[in-house]
Amino acid sequence: TQLLEQSPQFLSIQEGENLTVYCNSSSVFSSLQWYRQEPGEGPVLLVTVVTGGEVKKLKRLTFQFGDARKDSSLHITAAQPGDTGLYLCAGELSYNTDKLIFGTGTRLQVFP
Amino acid sequence: DAGVIQSPRHEVTEMGQEVTLRCKPISGHNSLFWYRQTMMRGLELLIYFNNNVPIDDSGMPEDRFSAKMPNASFSTLKIQPSEPRDSAVYFCASSFGGRARDEQFFGPGTRLTVL
Repeated sequence: TQLLEQSPQFLSIQEGENLTVYCNSSSVFSSLQWYRQEPGEGPVLLVTVVTGGEVKKLKRLTFQFGDARKDSSLHITAAQPGDTGLYLCAGELSYNTDKLIFGTGTRLQVFP
Repeated sequence: DAGVIQSPRHEVTEMGQEVTLRCKPISGHNSLFWYRQTMMRGLELLIYFNNNVPIDDSGMPEDRFSAKMPNASFSTLKIQPSEPRDSAVYFCASSFGGRARDEQFFGPGTRLTVL
């Protein structure tokens, strides 16, 4: 059973389009992170959100933590081929802050 | 800093052989994590260490897997005997601090193929 489900699983879009990736759970998290992983490399941290309802922006990327701290979203505006990769959400459970639980992943392909 | 270093980058072995994966964390980091990534199961935590002490090994699949961290700058993950279902990319990550929210820095991974 996956604690963190991401949707969609795969996404192929044209350069310039907008997209949203979702990360959902029935569990409450103390914090939630988003990572991006490129082929042949390890994941790289993009952002950490810790407060319910929190919104963070990183250039064209907007991250939101749900009010109840059970879900999160990543919105990309005007996607570029450089955004291509595997996006992973990862949560710190409220009852176990020692380790991260990784989501199922969303594989994004942006075509020029 | 060179980042987290893993070796080898690729390993192809036959079923039944022993496999040893190696990791050098970022200097000064006190937490080290071993993950396994497959298409079917995604990224799974196998074991993590804090100050060289194993804290949680509940993700280790079975007794064929073992991990050690003899000092702050080196860790190994051993599979003996290996099986085809162990084929995956194995990542090592390190962080500074004792909480999951502390940024984890991942190595490039070791792609293991067991024939």
